[in-house]
Amino acid sequence: TQLLEQSPQFLSIQEGENLTVYCNSSSVFSSLQWYRQEPGEGPVLLVTVVTGGEVKKLKRLTFQFGDARKDSSLHITAAQTGDTGLYLCAGGPRGGSGAGSYQLTFGKGTKLSVIP
Amino acid sequence: KAGVTQTPRYLIKTRGQQVTLSCSPISGHRSVSWYQQTPGQGLQFLFEYFSETQRNKGNFPGRFSGRQFSNSRSEMNVSTLELGDSALYLCASSPGPGSYEQYFGPGTRLTVT
Repeated sequence: TQLLEQSPQFLSIQEGENLTVYCNSSSVFSSLQWYRQEPGEGPVLLVTVVTGGEVKKLKRLTFQFGDARKDSSLHITAAQTGDTGLYLCAGGPRGGSGAGSYQLTFGKGTKLSVIP
Repeated sequence: KAGVTQTPRYLIKTRGQQVTLSCSPISGHRSVSWYQQTPGQGLQFLFEYFSETQRNKGNFPGRFSGRQFSNSRSEMNVSTLELGDSALYLCASSPGPGSYEQYFGPGTRLTVT
């Protein structure tokens, strides 16, 4: 059972366009993280959100954690070719316990291609 | 500060063999987790070690095992390799209690023929 659903699976856009990718679950998570992975490399942590309704901005990237801590979105403004990669969301311990477990649950990712 | 390192980066084995993969976490990090990544299943959690103790285990057969040493370095072993074990194996380290952020190594690409 896939607990984190990411959409869309694939996204191809022109440089300069805006885009939003989504991460949804029926479960509550203590925290949610976004990673970007390039081919042949490990995922690189972009951001962690922990509070329902939290919004974090990282240059052209805006991350939002849903009020109920079950979903998140990543918005990229004016995409650049360097944004190309696999974007993964990962949820911290389910049930909001936050107690000690480090088992992250990953979505399958959104593969983003930014065309020059 | 050096990142997470994994060795070897690439490995080719035949069915029935066994393999050991190694991971050195970021200095000061005490938690090490292992994941298997395949195109069809994405990243799947294998196990997590903290202070030499396995704290969590994913839904993988007993052929997959691991351990952590006193210096926090970790190894994972896969015995009796099957074709379906071909994957990118990722190690991630975390500082410890209070932090859910994980920092990944580049992975070991295992191909089973």
